[in-house]
Amino acid sequence: GQNIDQPTEMTATEGAIVQINCTYQTSGFNGLFWYQQHAGEAPTFLSYNVLDGLEEKGRFSSFLSRSKGYSYLLLKELQMKDSASYLCAVMDSNYQLIWGAGTKLIIKP
Amino acid sequence: SQTIHQWPATLVQPVGSPLSLECTVEGTSNPNLYWYRQAAGRGLQLLFYSVGIGQISSEVPQNLSASRPQDRQFILSSKKLLLSDSGFYLCAWRGVRDTGELFFGEGSRLTVL
Repeated sequence: GQNIDQPTEMTATEGAIVQINCTYQTSGFNGLFWYQQHAGEAPTFLSYNVLDGLEEKGRFSSFLSRSKGYSYLLLKELQMKDSASYLCAVMDSNYQLIWGAGTKLIIKP
Repeated sequence: SQTIHQWPATLVQPVGSPLSLECTVEGTSNPNLYWYRQAAGRGLQLLFYSVGIGQISSEVPQNLSASRPQDRQFILSSKKLLLSDSGFYLCAWRGVRDTGELFFGEGSRLTVL
């Protein structure tokens, strides 16, 4: 079966750095996405990785290792507004997205 | 620029009542459209997707149905709601860039009592 695993909840301090991990087992691979979802709102696109390595976009970076079935989202200089759920999703061989359950990130002052 | 809207944002319905959620996309043509449901603490579950007018693929057997009467309109319906239909429903369209990321509507919170 297809599976995406990510931690249920993480806590970090304002101004710090946090890494959210995602491991996957899917039928084929056509890219990995990270989305941010604030409570009660729709997900918004953060990043896309299809090749191994690190993609940096401002305070957010996303890493992919296809051989290990592993990705992480790195958030630097955390702000209170970063409190949200972060969803990992993999596009399989049929170009359908398989979603993780999301990681709820709590930022403390 | 492209936009996507869905409504209503919130609704409370009794068991056995009908449902209609509507989604429209502006600024693009022939988009791939999707209906997802998100239960509390769970990942997004794909319910239906459509690659064109009248073309609907169902991913999960259930008492819900979808229709695409116009190119940029996608409707989620039910004739008789169940308690288990409660959840957060999201309409999305797939972007035209190579990355193919999804863009979501605002979401519809359905509570079935």
